[in-house]
Amino acid sequence: ETGVTQSPTHLIKTRGQQVTLRCSSQSGHNTVSWYQQALGQGPQFIFQYYREEENGRGNFPPRFSGLQFPNYSSELNVNALELDDSALYLCASSLGVGGTSTDTQYFGPGTRLTVL
Amino acid sequence: TQLLEQSPQFLSIQEGENLTVYCNSSSVFSSLQWYRQEPGEGPVLLVTVVTGGEVKKLKRLTFQFGDARKDSSLHITAAQPGDTGLYLCAGARWSDDKIIFGKGTRLHILP
Repeated sequence: ETGVTQSPTHLIKTRGQQVTLRCSSQSGHNTVSWYQQALGQGPQFIFQYYREEENGRGNFPPRFSGLQFPNYSSELNVNALELDDSALYLCASSLGVGGTSTDTQYFGPGTRLTVL
Repeated sequence: TQLLEQSPQFLSIQEGENLTVYCNSSSVFSSLQWYRQEPGEGPVLLVTVVTGGEVKKLKRLTFQFGDARKDSSLHITAAQPGDTGLYLCAGARWSDDKIIFGKGTRLHILP
């Protein structure tokens, strides 16, 4: 148990639709990062938020966007879904300022998204 | 682009044997982390190494960061079925300190 929760657990969408995934961080953790983990791959960094501002982004198109709220919850939004967006989406929260690499990241169990 | 190469991709060995898995890159990282991920769960941090040549031990697990900070290894002594899982290495980019993961080594320990 990491104290990080994600919803929903599983989700099925069709190509072209939009999806919102949710994450609840550990209380007091100001930094949240989102990752995409395709089958048989390691997690790929999408972006990070620190105190409600984007604080670094990976190689993902603008149709991947996020929000972080003052109550330690956050969202990942994906527009115009493509088949290749099918993956496990993980969020991870950390305590440190700006989420430096030496801070421990606590991962949620992920949301399994299937795009048909 | 996968900057971190992990080997082997799959490893199945008998309980009690020793094993080593590797994480290699042509890039230098400011720090490197090892995680274990089990089905239906997110990765769980095992260790962070920061200094070139650093060795850290966690019970039967020994982690080493290469002198040049480009590679790392994880050695497990007397493997047990509870060690079964996906082992991921992750390096922090110098540019922005964000984490890049390898594809992982899927380890299966046979009782």
